[in-house]
Amino acid sequence: QLMLTQSPSASASLGASVKLSCTLSWGHNSYAIAWHQQRPQKGPRFLMKVNSDGSYSKGDGIPDRFSGSSSGAERYLSISSLQSEDEADYYCQTWGTGILLVFGGGTKLTVL
Amino acid sequence: EVQLVESGGAVVQPGGSLRLSCAASGFTFNDYTMHWVRQAPGKGLEWVSFIAGDGITTFYADSLRGRFTISRDNSKNSLYLQMNNLRTEDTAFYYCAKDKDDSYYFDYWGQGTLVTVSS
Repeated sequence: QLMLTQSPSASASLGASVKLSCTLSWGHNSYAIAWHQQRPQKGPRFLMKVNSDGSYSKGDGIPDRFSGSSSGAERYLSISSLQSEDEADYYCQTWGTGILLVFGGGTKLTVL
Repeated sequence: EVQLVESGGAVVQPGGSLRLSCAASGFTFNDYTMHWVRQAPGKGLEWVSFIAGDGITTFYADSLRGRFTISRDNSKNSLYLQMNNLRTEDTAFYYCAKDKDDSYYFDYWGQGTLVTVSS
């Protein structure tokens, strides 16, 4: 069954870097995922698509501080030079055969 | 600039019906698949349904098939979600989202509209 697993929370200091992970379920190592950011009381915003080979393509206006990478079943979102506005929930999302679209449970990022 | 603006959210009793709308602008609407995604208060995101650009192909989350109907009017650049036999567990923010070139992920989102199902 296609599933995505995310840590519920993460934290890092202002100006530091953080790497969030999203784990694909067994047998789905080749799948691409998309990362979405949701700031408090706002609608989600698309950040990027991350492919299994580690390449990624960002959405319009997404700063260079955001990047993606992959390793096996893991898909990563890295944020450098953390700013207060980066405090948000981050969701990964993928899609499978039979037109199944799934989200991870989300990671709440706190900027200290 | 792509804009998606949802409307139609309201408080409705269990068993009732509601129709949500999403007004789209800033792109050629009929070229793109569109989605509805929902989020219960304090919870994560859940995909609801999509409709292809031609309005013919539709797909639903298994748990919702039969109660919800997605549609679109390309002449009005509008997306709709008809929700029938509403349950308390349907209480959520409902977002419309634009698909990225039939890739089944979303590159633009609306700000959401709140549906509350309560007696």
